Amino acid sequence: GNSVTQMEGPVTLSEEAFLTINCTYTATGYPSLFWYVQYPGEGLQLLLKATKADDKGSNKGFEATYRKETTSFHLEKGSVQVSDSAVYFCLYNQGGKLIFGQGTELSVKP
Amino acid sequence: DGGITQSPKYLFRKEGQNVTLSCEQNLNHDAMYWYRQDPGQGLRLIYYSQIVNDFQKGDIAEGYSVSREKKESFPLTVTSAQKNPTAFYLCASSTTGENSPLHFGNGTRLTVT
Repeated sequence: GNSVTQMEGPVTLSEEAFLTINCTYTATGYPSLFWYVQYPGEGLQLLLKATKADDKGSNKGFEATYRKETTSFHLEKGSVQVSDSAVYFCLYNQGGKLIFGQGTELSVKP
Repeated sequence: DGGITQSPKYLFRKEGQNVTLSCEQNLNHDAMYWYRQDPGQGLRLIYYSQIVNDFQKGDIAEGYSVSREKKESFPLTVTSAQKNPTAFYLCASSTTGENSPLHFGNGTRLTVT
């Protein structure tokens, strides 16, 4: 069946390090893809999205490119800050069917 | 400002009592969703509604009930039949269409003792 797989956390980085959080999906077609961020004790906030192959979503220094050939939507940031510490979720939407990845916790140390 | 409001933020109940969590949105979204999140875990879908007066079970609907009498409101009742009700509950809404992102409320943390 369709699924979304994220890299397991927690991911611990030093401030200003490069971040990659992997997300791959299985689907019969071409879903829309989203990244959400959840800060402690809060709901999820949309971080970025891409709706078709080769689209690049970007926001707040984060980027992700929709790669049809590898069915991936990896989240990247060139230089993380302590304030980026949160849980990140990859989401797939195909025809109204929503599938979340299991979430990846990121901890950034000063 | 438009958004989704969940209330209360923290809720405490005794075992055996039903409890209703509120979710209101003023985004004019047709679709609304309830998710459950347990510590260190992902989101699991409880119920969803794509139109007023209609709703469908998600993956873990047992022990929960919902209603959708108004477009703006989608309350969730956690009944005494739910075996492990203590969790963080998130409500979301969206327009219809697969390019539409979900908008989330800030959640209600329910503790049942």
